[in-house]
Amino acid sequence: GAVVSQHPSWVICKSGTSVKIECRSLDFQATTMFWYRQFPKQSLMLMATSNEGSKATYEQGVEKDKFLINHASLTLSTLTVTSAHPEDSSFYICSAPDRTAALSGNTIYFGEGSWLTVV
Amino acid sequence: KQEVTQIPAALSVPEGENLVLNCSFTDSAIYNLQWFRQDPGKGLTSLLLIQSSQREQTSGRLNASLDKSSGRSTLYIAASQPGDSATYLCAIETSGSRLTFGEGTQLTVNP
Repeated sequence: GAVVSQHPSWVICKSGTSVKIECRSLDFQATTMFWYRQFPKQSLMLMATSNEGSKATYEQGVEKDKFLINHASLTLSTLTVTSAHPEDSSFYICSAPDRTAALSGNTIYFGEGSWLTVV
Repeated sequence: KQEVTQIPAALSVPEGENLVLNCSFTDSAIYNLQWFRQDPGKGLTSLLLIQSSQREQTSGRLNASLDKSSGRSTLYIAASQPGDSATYLCAIETSGSRLTFGEGTQLTVNP
């Protein structure tokens, strides 16, 4: 079945550096992808909507210059955490709706998630 | 703005017990409601999806109900097993495939 792959699963970086996380739809094209963040013991919060060929839409309170999103193709969205700080340490997860199965409606697939630790 | 609340925040039960997890939401204009399971340090596993026109869905020992008018959903787990231990998340899909998640119920099933 359709799969969304996210990479890397785990990353440790130094404070001040940038980290890129990739989200790929393997079996379908995704014009839209979503990025969520989950802090420990909290729920997932939508950060931004990634739109193929256009600018991402960010949720209130999310810094677009800090969390750069690029959706350069129909199967790949990237999230770059720029100038990372320890408070950016979190679980980041992407999702992509498969809108090709018109009769069954959208099915939303999630990546495996990426654990970011900034030291 | 849609808000999703899950009760209880944590639940510990002995193996074999039937249990109910609760989810409430503030805006009844939903596309669907989905229950996920999240194991520690892992991503999400979709358990059940209820379309807005449906009232319940069943999969094995799991049964989820939806009452849009009252803004509530329940996840019923029959004959719980230690392997059911995980965090269960309720999520509401609104327009454009955006999901609003509850804070989850952390379930522990003791052998």
